[in-house]
Amino acid sequence: ETGVTQSPTHLIKTRGQQVTLRCSSQSGHNTVSWYQQALGQGPQFIFQYYREEENGRGNFPPRFSGLQFPNYSSELNVNALELDDSALYLCASSYRQGVNTEAFFGQGTRLTVV
Amino acid sequence: DQQVKQNSPSLSVQEGRISILNCDYTNSMFDYFLWYKKYPAEGPTFLISISSIKDKNEDGRFTVFLNKSAKHLSLHIVPSQPGDSAVYFCAASAEGSNYKLTFGKGTLLTVNP
Repeated sequence: ETGVTQSPTHLIKTRGQQVTLRCSSQSGHNTVSWYQQALGQGPQFIFQYYREEENGRGNFPPRFSGLQFPNYSSELNVNALELDDSALYLCASSYRQGVNTEAFFGQGTRLTVV
Repeated sequence: DQQVKQNSPSLSVQEGRISILNCDYTNSMFDYFLWYKKYPAEGPTFLISISSIKDKNEDGRFTVFLNKSAKHLSLHIVPSQPGDSAVYFCAASAEGSNYKLTFGKGTLLTVNP
């Protein structure tokens, strides 16, 4: 059973650019969520995808968007990058089965916007 | 408006003693609570969870206690080991919120040999 993997692990972008982050869900999981963790803070929910559709969104602007693919892998896209977007971006996968269950996280992508 | 609060940014304990990490929440709709451990340069690792229908859940050295009336939960680690040194996050979710997790800011636990 493979865990959640994210790529890249680190990247540096310039303000105004666009970035795509990738996540491979844990085998058997059908739900993926993205979180942003700023320095000294806990992870903040960005959005969740279930069966390829956005299924809940946190307090993030529309320039944060995503996709989930048939194999349940996912992308997070951020347009018009701002300096405050610098953070650790975490992907979490879980299996939705009608009850609460734990989510398993990848190692994260450290994004620095300069 | 922080719905999950971990008021102690850090905690230091001696190896072999008990570590108690605390968490308070304000949203009465939360019905599932989790603790995650995070090492630097790694993602959070799930430790233990508890449903609101229980007041205690135990897994080896880790026990989580839930006091619904006080909207308070705690994680007990007994005995503490140096490898337990990490940031611990409390998280909560509510039925009907599509299982999104709301996290506290974390508590840095240092276990001294």
